[in-house]
Amino acid sequence: DVKVTQSSRYLVKRTGEKVFLECVQDMDHENMFWYRQDPGLGLRLIYFSYDVKMKEKGDIPEGYSVSREKKERFSLILESASTNQTSMYLCASSLRTGYTDTQYFGPGTRLTVL
Amino acid sequence: AQSVSQHNHHVILSEAASLELGCNYSYGGTVNLFWYVQYPGQHLQLLLKYFSGDPLVKGIKGFEAEFIKSKFSFNLRKPSVQWSDTAEYFCAVISGTYKYIFGTGTRLKVLA
Repeated sequence: DVKVTQSSRYLVKRTGEKVFLECVQDMDHENMFWYRQDPGLGLRLIYFSYDVKMKEKGDIPEGYSVSREKKERFSLILESASTNQTSMYLCASSLRTGYTDTQYFGPGTRLTVL
Repeated sequence: AQSVSQHNHHVILSEAASLELGCNYSYGGTVNLFWYVQYPGQHLQLLLKYFSGDPLVKGIKGFEAEFIKSKFSFNLRKPSVQWSDTAEYFCAVISGTYKYIFGTGTRLKVLA
């Protein structure tokens, strides 16, 4: 079974802090994704990566950056956390570029910014 | 812009009732369609997907979905729901890019 793990289930940070969210997948997947999930808005793509050191902006990249130094690890960085970044963050991976590829999700990190 | 619409935001059913959750997308080309489910406290997981062939797709736990190209729809159905189907359901589409586009989700509550 594919396993996608995220470093924290719950995180509380203060406004202005730099926040790192880590995601690791164990199935040698090429593609990795970061979403945020908010009630009534569904999942919105922040960034994705289709290869090591490659990244593409999603629909809401402002205020975020990402890093993919190793194939199995994809980090989301909030450079200066703000209260409107309080949300559930989901990481996902998929095997390869392809229209039929299933995405496998991690358990999520619920981030609260005070 | 491409979009996915889920018209029912909250649905409450009694056990054994039939379920149909609507999903419409806006894109004229080839699409691949998915339904994901998120049970309380669990991560999102794939319920079923359509990419070609028979437009009636069967998934896990007795769910099915029908792709109707002329209606740009991919509705999810189950003839008889169980209490354990209480969850949030997301429709998603991929068209021409790496990117999934997700609907806003439908929260289903099944009363025992």
